[in-house]
Amino acid sequence: SQTIHQWPATLVQPVGSPLSLECTVEGTSNPNLYWYRQAAGRGLQLLFYSVGIGQISSEVPQNLSASRPQDRQFILSSKKLLLSDSGFYLCAWDPPGEKLFFGSGTQLSVL
Amino acid sequence: AQTVTQSQPEMSVQEAETVTLSCTYDTSENNYYLFWYKQPPSRQMILVIRQEAYKQQNATENRFSVNFQKAAKSFSLKISDSQLGDTAMYFCAFISGTSYGKLTFGQGTILTVHP
Repeated sequence: SQTIHQWPATLVQPVGSPLSLECTVEGTSNPNLYWYRQAAGRGLQLLFYSVGIGQISSEVPQNLSASRPQDRQFILSSKKLLLSDSGFYLCAWDPPGEKLFFGSGTQLSVL
Repeated sequence: AQTVTQSQPEMSVQEAETVTLSCTYDTSENNYYLFWYKQPPSRQMILVIRQEAYKQQNATENRFSVNFQKAAKSFSLKISDSQLGDTAMYFCAFISGTSYGKLTFGQGTILTVHP
């Protein structure tokens, strides 16, 4: 069966520190992968999406970057975190014939 | 650009009763999909129901059904026989048929089911 894994579940980081969030999908090949962010009490905003290895599209200008080093791996990074980077980050993917399933999310608090 | 509007920040319902959550959207496209996602306190995003715009028949999934009014650009969610486990934030979302998973979300409605 197909599953999506995202970690860590929670993360507390100081301002100016680096960030690396990882997402992997199992049971499929060449999935479309996405990073969304949810600010407190609000809807989700698409940050990045990838249709293949090394192919990254950014939806909004920001302090974050994404990479796809392997077919089923999607990484969200930052060199120096800002307070405004705090939020709930969700990885997602498109199963064949379906539309968007989400990982369990990472709550990032930048202090 | 597409927009999705949920005008009810909060709703409440008694257990076993029916509740309807509202959603309107704006698009110039003819081929698109609409979704309702549920986000319980665990914050996991769970797909509740989806509707293809080319289908006139309203989608139904057990106790969940939609009222899709394409001309009015309205997409409401009806929850019948509400259960305590339905307590969650509900998001309406839109995606163009030509896009990848680039969902546009509404701001959400917090639904509380009371015993």
